[in-house]
Amino acid sequence: DSGVTQTPKHLITATGQRVTLRCSPRSGDLSVYWYQQSLDQGLQFLIQYYNGEERAKGNILERFSAQQFPDLHSELNLSSLELGDSALYFCASSDTSLIGNTIYFGEGSWLTVV
Amino acid sequence: AQSVTQLDSHVSVSEGTPVLLRCNYSSSYSPSLFWYVQHPNKGLQLLLKYTSAATLVKGINGFEAEFKKSETSFHLTKPSAHMSDAAEYFCVVSPSGGSYIPTFGRGTSLIVHP
Repeated sequence: DSGVTQTPKHLITATGQRVTLRCSPRSGDLSVYWYQQSLDQGLQFLIQYYNGEERAKGNILERFSAQQFPDLHSELNLSSLELGDSALYFCASSDTSLIGNTIYFGEGSWLTVV
Repeated sequence: AQSVTQLDSHVSVSEGTPVLLRCNYSSSYSPSLFWYVQHPNKGLQLLLKYTSAATLVKGINGFEAEFKKSETSFHLTKPSAHMSDAAEYFCVVSPSGGSYIPTFGRGTSLIVHP
């Protein structure tokens, strides 16, 4: 158990809908990362937050957004969903945003868009 | 810029034989390097981490990796494969300058035959 908690574990929704994925980082970790894992794209970095502020942005679509709240949990919002958004979404956390710092992953949220 | 290449998408071994998973990286700075393992329907678990201390790094479950700067490699090895080692393995590079978002390889699927 990494200490990173993600909910829901599985989610099935229709195209055009909106979903929210939630992540609770390890106790004391200030930095949260979101990744998308799909068969064709591999593991893609989406976005990073550090202590409530956006720190880095990767291959995140405009239809997707995220935030980190004062209690340090984070949410990833996916809207206008398309079939291609079906993937495993990982949250990860680390205790700082320093380079080379170890990142710990949650179990992921499986999103299926039908 | 940084990148990581896992040279084999699949590696097949027999139980009790050695494992070698190959990883080459490129980074403009002295990198930190990681290996993660992902078992089916699970999150990514840290196997080991290199951060410019000893070049031979020992990890969990009998795995180790050697950092070779001249070859820009960080191959993962295990003397004797176990059935429970069957999983997806990811090599990750996190540089010491510039972008500090870790970059993941595409993964190597380790298959262990009885």
